[in-house]
Amino acid sequence: GQQLNQSPQSMFIQEGEDVSMNCTSSSIFNTWLWYKQDPGEGPVLLIALYKAGELTSNGRLTAQFGITRKDSFLNISASIPSDVGIYFCAGLNRDDKIIFGKGTRLHILP
Amino acid sequence: DAGVIQSPRHEVTEMGQEVTLRCKPISGHNSLFWYRQTMMRGLELLIYFNNNVPIDDSGMPEDRFSAKMPNASFSTLKIQPSEPRDSAVYFCASSYSVTLEQYFGPGTRLTVT
Repeated sequence: GQQLNQSPQSMFIQEGEDVSMNCTSSSIFNTWLWYKQDPGEGPVLLIALYKAGELTSNGRLTAQFGITRKDSFLNISASIPSDVGIYFCAGLNRDDKIIFGKGTRLHILP
Repeated sequence: DAGVIQSPRHEVTEMGQEVTLRCKPISGHNSLFWYRQTMMRGLELLIYFNNNVPIDDSGMPEDRFSAKMPNASFSTLKIQPSEPRDSAVYFCASSYSVTLEQYFGPGTRLTVT
């Protein structure tokens, strides 16, 4: 079936650094979503993207819907300790089925 | 507004027992989704409903799993009989429509011994 390849699988960064992660697929998606999951909680929606090329910000977070519709990127600027968690990308395919990536675990070193 | 509500938050049961997980979606949302999350397989979509009707259950692992949505404000996911490999966190999510962003509940952590 369709898969989303999310990378990197994990990241260790210093507080204050910028973070970049991405999600790619061999298939086209109509919508891209980025979620964050804290330990013991459900994923929380961060950003939704609906059009190819769209660039959307939410505070220190910025996400882009790739022009080819096969990828998406999430950037976090000036990371802080509460950014720690697992970030998931999700795509809605042509059959209106949502597919999730396996997540990027973000660790922040003090 | 209350978010998606799931119960119980934790369930520990013995192999062979029946397990029922419950979900109350956000009021006004027409679509409801059940997911399973494990370290090995990540987040997997099990089944989803639109206007209380099951649309796609291709993710349900086997006949031991069943889900119902008797009305717009309640859904259940049942495992009978349960097995140790069913141990996972089960999430319910809801949205205004299938194509719009989903909001997740806090999950039920199931442990089958």
